[in-house]
Amino acid sequence: DSGVTQTPKHLITATGQRVTLRCSPRSGDLSVYWYQQSLDQGLQFLIQYYNGEERAKGNILERFSAQQFPDLHSELNLSSLELGDSALYFCASSRDRRNTEAFFGQGTRLTVV
Amino acid sequence: GIQVEQSPPDLILQEGANSTLRCNFSDSVNNLQWFHQNPWGQLINLFYIPSGTKQNGRLSATTVATERYSLLYISSSQTTDSGVYFCAGPLISNFGNEKLTFGTGTRLTIIP
Repeated sequence: DSGVTQTPKHLITATGQRVTLRCSPRSGDLSVYWYQQSLDQGLQFLIQYYNGEERAKGNILERFSAQQFPDLHSELNLSSLELGDSALYFCASSRDRRNTEAFFGQGTRLTVV
Repeated sequence: GIQVEQSPPDLILQEGANSTLRCNFSDSVNNLQWFHQNPWGQLINLFYIPSGTKQNGRLSATTVATERYSLLYISSSQTTDSGVYFCAGPLISNFGNEKLTFGTGTRLTIIP
């Protein structure tokens, strides 16, 4: 158990819908990262938050947004879903912004039908 | 940005064999991790190894930061070692923060 909790584990939804993925970082970790892994693909960085503030952005679509709350949990919102958004979405957390080990949650498997 | 290349892309071995997986970086790294993604999709931390050598049971890793590569050694392979192995290193963003950039992975299949 990495200590990073993601909910839900599985999500099936229809095209055009909106979903929210939730992540609770390890206790004491201030940085949260979101990654997307499409079928048989590598992990693509989406966005990073540090202590409530957005710190880095990757190839995140405009239909996607995220935030980190004062209690440090984070949510990734995916809207106007398309079939191609089906993927594993991972959250990771680390103690600080740099030079620290990152730990990953179990992921949310999103299927858009 | 930094590029991360892993080799080989695929590896099929008999149970009990040894293997070496390689990770090359296009730039120097100061924060390198190895992960194992099991067949259920879980990403498991193997090593946090900015430099030097570490060992954990049948697995060991070596990072030579000055030469921009890292190696993961798996000895006496077991079927539970099957999965995809990723290395990941930092990419400095405009804010000066680091985010992990993943390699494309090595898919390891251990045959009983």
